Amino acid sequence: DAKTTQPNSMESNEEEPVHLPCNHSTISGTDYIHWYRQLPSQGPEYVIHGLTSNVNNRMASLAIAEDRKSSTLILHRATLRDAAVYYCILRDAGRRDSNYQLIWGAGTKLIIKP
Amino acid sequence: EADIYQTPRYLVIGTGKKITLECSQTMGHDKMYWYQQDPGMELHLIHYSYGVNSTEKGDLSSESTVSRIRTEHFPLTLESARPSHTSQYLCASRSAEKHGELFFGEGSRLTVL
Repeated sequence: DAKTTQPNSMESNEEEPVHLPCNHSTISGTDYIHWYRQLPSQGPEYVIHGLTSNVNNRMASLAIAEDRKSSTLILHRATLRDAAVYYCILRDAGRRDSNYQLIWGAGTKLIIKP
Repeated sequence: EADIYQTPRYLVIGTGKKITLECSQTMGHDKMYWYQQDPGMELHLIHYSYGVNSTEKGDLSSESTVSRIRTEHFPLTLESARPSHTSQYLCASRSAEKHGELFFGEGSRLTVL
């Protein structure tokens, strides 16, 4: 699986939008981009995923660059409950689906200031 | 809301003891996973299962073992705990859908003295 690069940490003010970047310059044509987040003392939770087009759901939006070498997770209005580590992960849809060896990096620690 | 449960949440135990970390899910998922995570570090896959009677080792070598006798349960066992086993252990499951999301339990934090 291709690797991703994320900033170690980011700060944002409460009730403002947050843009979390992710670089994946070696992404292949069949790699999907997945985002998970991990709140303190909890297991990770799914946020969103996409392939080429921008995606929206109730939690966030995912903006994917035209060349797919980078993507941005957008939290439209951050709250204190959004403080977490956010992981950007690539998943090759062409791989045999018998396992799910997502390569988890260290993620971005998002700090929300009240 | 995820229906996957891990027990115990916290465990402090002495060296040499046998321990079993329990993981149960009520979503009928065939695929289940165990990850190990040290504080502030990335997750590493240590075991996974495609279904009943199927278990495989992940990309991180682990002295633990797993079993999958029932779809709902995927327990992890350490026969003789050591301080190097101190870590957080996270259980997850997913449906067979191609991009089915992973559902994680809250984790079991193990400390071996």
